[in-house]
Amino acid sequence: DAGVIQSPRHEVTEMGQEVTLRCKPISGHDYLFWYRQTMMRGLELLIYFNNNVPIDDSGMPEDRFSAKMPNASFSTLKIQPSEPRDSAVYFCASSFDRGTYNEKLFFGSGTQLSVL
Amino acid sequence: AQKITQTQPGMFVQEKEAVTLDCTYDTSDPSYGLFWYKQPSSGEMIFLIYQGSYDQQNATEGRYSLNFQKARKSANLVISASQLGDSAMYFCAILSPNTGNQFYFGTGTSLTVIP
Repeated sequence: DAGVIQSPRHEVTEMGQEVTLRCKPISGHDYLFWYRQTMMRGLELLIYFNNNVPIDDSGMPEDRFSAKMPNASFSTLKIQPSEPRDSAVYFCASSFDRGTYNEKLFFGSGTQLSVL
Repeated sequence: AQKITQTQPGMFVQEKEAVTLDCTYDTSDPSYGLFWYKQPSSGEMIFLIYQGSYDQQNATEGRYSLNFQKARKSANLVISASQLGDSAMYFCAILSPNTGNQFYFGTGTSLTVIP
């Protein structure tokens, strides 16, 4: 398996522009998570999906952030309009749902976003 | 709510020595899993080791082992025979089936291995 695939690896954009981050979870995984990592705030959960349905988006910082999962193999995180404070590493991760507590989380390589 | 605490923002260890990274947690769930991840400077998150709340023995994976003390709610990571490549951030996380498969991460510990 190729693992969780994120694109792009790096994104540099100007304030006010729309940014779209993409994620392909591991095939067969039921859960998909979007995290944001900064030095100040550490690893923050933004939103997660179960079987393509958003379960908890309470971590999404503002209405400028939106996430979709149109099918089991693809998710996007969109920021519109972007601001310099959105600069961070954004991780996508996926896991199985077997109703147990031993299913580890598989992370993508992350997207380094810089908003100028 | 689940909570993970890592009180050591930075640690140093001499190459070939052992080091313990602390992790305490707070949960009211009887069943849960504890995970450790490594994040080297390249940025990827690498799974290291897992401990289940009902596991009788401490988990081990090569040079990694967990010092699991359930009554004290601690799950410290022990790295034996440290190598330069162990220099990284280390994150502890907790998962319980009662939280909808949501992982809660600590703030991490930065480990530097000194040659």
